[in-house]
Amino acid sequence: DAGVTQSPTHLIKTRGQHVTLRCSPISGHKSVSWYQQVLGQGPQFIFQYYEKEERGRGNFPDRFSARQFPNYSSELNVNALLLGDSALYLCASSPPTFGDGYTFGSGTRLTVV
Amino acid sequence: AQSVTQPDIHITVSEGASLELRCNYSYGATPYLFWYVQSPGQGLQLLLKYFSGDTLVQGIKGFEAEFKRSQSSFNLRKPSVHWSDAAEYFCAVGQPTGGFKTIFGAGTRLFVKA
Repeated sequence: DAGVTQSPTHLIKTRGQHVTLRCSPISGHKSVSWYQQVLGQGPQFIFQYYEKEERGRGNFPDRFSARQFPNYSSELNVNALLLGDSALYLCASSPPTFGDGYTFGSGTRLTVV
Repeated sequence: AQSVTQPDIHITVSEGASLELRCNYSYGATPYLFWYVQSPGQGLQLLLKYFSGDTLVQGIKGFEAEFKRSQSSFNLRKPSVHWSDAAEYFCAVGQPTGGFKTIFGAGTRLFVKA
């Protein structure tokens, strides 16, 4: 059974550009969460989606948006990139029961130059 | 405010020695508690979780954690560390009523010396 898959694994963007990151959850998981992990820090919560609806949002600017598709895959979009958006972006899928914890993908390393 | 504190930025232990990683949390109610491990350049892997019941929980890879309500702590332990345990360890807390978000600590980097 495939785990959580994220694409691309790495990318480099220029300030002001837009980026789309993609995630496919574990089969049977209907919830997808996005986290930003800056080097040397713990992951910071960006969004959680469940059944295509936003269920939680962290303290990120409106430049960050996401959506979930009928097959439960998800996209994270970031507009007007800043140097400070350089980070590892992690996608996590989870079953409906909150306490079961996350299964994380390997992440997308975004570098903004 | 909800927060997770991991007081030790990094810890070095000898292979075969015991390990304890500290975690303290601040939360309005008893949260769900988790420990995750992250190898370099990788995503995070769930080691163990706790919400209720026996306060000593067993996880994968020989790890265990003890919940102490009076100290708002959830420390991770392992009796004998292996070189392959070298990684970054994150404590996390969350509640479904808290916007379904899980809050992570800053992490503790574990170094294992031969």
